[in-house]
Amino acid sequence: AQSVTQLDSQVPVFEEAPVELRCNYSSSVSVYLFWYVQYPNQGLQLLLKYLSGSTLVKGINGFEAEFNKSQTSFHLRKPSVHISDTAEYFCAVSPPGYSSASKIIFGSGTRLSIRP
Amino acid sequence: DVKVTQSSRYLVKRTGEKVFLECVQDMDHENMFWYRQDPGLGLRLIYFSYDVKMKEKGDIPEGYSVSREKKERFSLILESASTNQTSMYLCASRPQTGHTEAFFGQGTRLTVV
Repeated sequence: AQSVTQLDSQVPVFEEAPVELRCNYSSSVSVYLFWYVQYPNQGLQLLLKYLSGSTLVKGINGFEAEFNKSQTSFHLRKPSVHISDTAEYFCAVSPPGYSSASKIIFGSGTRLSIRP
Repeated sequence: DVKVTQSSRYLVKRTGEKVFLECVQDMDHENMFWYRQDPGLGLRLIYFSYDVKMKEKGDIPEGYSVSREKKERFSLILESASTNQTSMYLCASRPQTGHTEAFFGQGTRLTVV
C-alpha cells in the first residue's frame, strides 16, 4: 500500500520569496507522483506529475518538483512566489500500470499563504 | 478539455434525509472516484468505480453508497445524512491506463443540519 506525508500543514512566505513544500511517500513498488493545487472554493487542478525519466519535473505557474527515490521524496519548489499562489497544495501517489484499483492517494495538504 | 461536473456547488440537508450527489464526466474515463475533504485530513477516498456497475470501497465508506449505471455518471448516496457528514465532496475521473492524472469536479459543499 502507498501513503503520502506532507510535512507542513501551513507555510507562510513573503511575496517574491522562494518556497519549498515537502512531500514524502511510502511504497514498496514504483509509483507515479503528482502535485495538485486547490484555489479557494474550487476543485483540484494538476500542477505537475512524475511518471518516469528526468527527476526534475516542471509544471504550470513556474512550479517544479524533484523526485528523489533514495529519500522517497517529491518536494515542490518555486523560486519566487506571487500573491496569486495562495492556495492549498496536495501531494499524491498512484500505482503505475493497469489496475482495477488505480486510485490516487493524497496527502493531508499544505496551505500556502503569501504575505505582501 | 476534460470536464467533470458535479450537480451542486452547495447543499443544505436535514439530519436523516437521503442525499444524492451527482457527478458526470465527458471523457469516457473508466475510473471514477468520490473523495471527502476535511481540514487537516486532506482527501479521503469514499468509493471508486472502475466500470459500469462495478464499485469498490475506499477508506471511509461507512454511511455512504454509490451507483454507476452509465459510464459517464457516478452518484454518491448518503442513506441517512448525519451532521458528521458535513464536508466538501469531490468527484474525480481517470482513464484506466494509470498514466495520467485524475480530473476533478468543482466540489459540493454539503451542510447537514
